[in-house]
Amino acid sequence: DQQVKQNSPSLSVQEGRISILNCDYTNSMFDYFLWYKKYPAEGPTFLISISSIKDKNEDGRFTVFLNKSAKHLSLHIVPSQPGDSAVYFCAASERTGGFKTIFGAGTRLFVKA
Amino acid sequence: EAQVTQNPRYLITVTGKKLTVTCSQNMNHEYMSWYRQDPGLGLRQIYYSMNVEVTDKGDVPEGYKVSRKEKRNFPLILESPSPNQTSLYFCASSYRDPRNTEAFFGQGTRLTVV
Repeated sequence: DQQVKQNSPSLSVQEGRISILNCDYTNSMFDYFLWYKKYPAEGPTFLISISSIKDKNEDGRFTVFLNKSAKHLSLHIVPSQPGDSAVYFCAASERTGGFKTIFGAGTRLFVKA
Repeated sequence: EAQVTQNPRYLITVTGKKLTVTCSQNMNHEYMSWYRQDPGLGLRQIYYSMNVEVTDKGDVPEGYKVSRKEKRNFPLILESPSPNQTSLYFCASSYRDPRNTEAFFGQGTRLTVV
């Protein structure tokens, strides 16, 4: 059973518009969430994170929103650029039971020029 | 340049032939981990290490071994590889608490077991 789910395998957005990538989780013990971006033939790179004590974190064009009651987080990219085309992974971790990090299956974002 | 280096980048091997994928980081990070990436499943953690001589199982440890004798190195060992271990493998490192900071990933090792 996947504890972190990214239900949209792909998303296509026009350049300049907003991209919204969604992530749902089932484990209420998760207390830290991260987003990574991955280009082909490269390793994932960190994008942005959020602690469960917050509901929003912003870094430039990237904003992550956390809704704990719904066990849902989303990544907003505004404005979207063609260079943002990549696979985006949502990840979650909890302190209890070690330092495991659980990743979602990823969402492939296409930003059209 | 701060980096995580994996070797080899590509490997084709036969069932049962022991192999080791090396991972080295030059950032003096205490925490290191191994992941495998499979279509539709994302990244799944195999093993992680919180410091030298301290390792623990991730979500999919079966068929793998690791060791952490030095801080910078964290090799992944497949004693008897099987075709279901064909995958893309990533090594990652981060500061002491990976929950509060980013992980740095290597470029990946694509392994095919025939």
